[in-house]
Amino acid sequence: KQEVTQIPAALSVPEGENLVLNCSFTDSAIYNLQWFRQDPGKGLTSLLLIQSSQREQTSGRLNASLDKSSGRSTLYIAASQPGDSATYLCAVLVDSGYALNFGKGTSLLVTP
Amino acid sequence: EAQVTQNPRYLITVTGKKLTVTCSQNMNHEYMSWYRQDPGLGLRQIYYSMNVEVTDKGDVPEGYKVSRKEKRNFPLILESPSPNQTSLYFCASSVTGVLGEQYFGPGTRLTVT
Repeated sequence: KQEVTQIPAALSVPEGENLVLNCSFTDSAIYNLQWFRQDPGKGLTSLLLIQSSQREQTSGRLNASLDKSSGRSTLYIAASQPGDSATYLCAVLVDSGYALNFGKGTSLLVTP
Repeated sequence: EAQVTQNPRYLITVTGKKLTVTCSQNMNHEYMSWYRQDPGLGLRQIYYSMNVEVTDKGDVPEGYKVSRKEKRNFPLILESPSPNQTSLYFCASSVTGVLGEQYFGPGTRLTVT
């Protein structure tokens, strides 16, 4: 079964720092990988979706990379802001799967 | 506004009292699914539906039922809730099945005493 691990579990940084969140998965036979943001009391918001044939995706200050062979993805957040404080989840879809396999998330706090 | 809605958002109930959590999407998505989120366990899929009248079990279906009579609605039914079903529940939908970008509802926090 696909295992998805996110490190660190929690992270606190001062405003303005560039930061990297890590996601690793055990089975490299994935169809795609998604990064989500979860705010307290709210649902998940999709940030970036990377297909297995892609190496990276960018949206604004966010850049996600995918290295399928090594089972890793990173989410890079440039010039972090307090509004970026949230829990970030990565989820992978295995080939022929019908469900996303989620990591447990990284809780990010950006302090002013 | 394109969205997935869930009702109720919060529910406290007692063991054995049947309940239904509704989920509705206004994006004409064919694929819908239910997840539960528990501390230390992350999100796990309960059931999913590829289209009207097509449903299948996810990773943790025990104690739950679903139905998909209309494209926009995908209710989650707990026939006899138990305390181990206390959790945060999310409904999600996608236009291209599980392969595409998933849109999540705001969540329903259920407590079974």
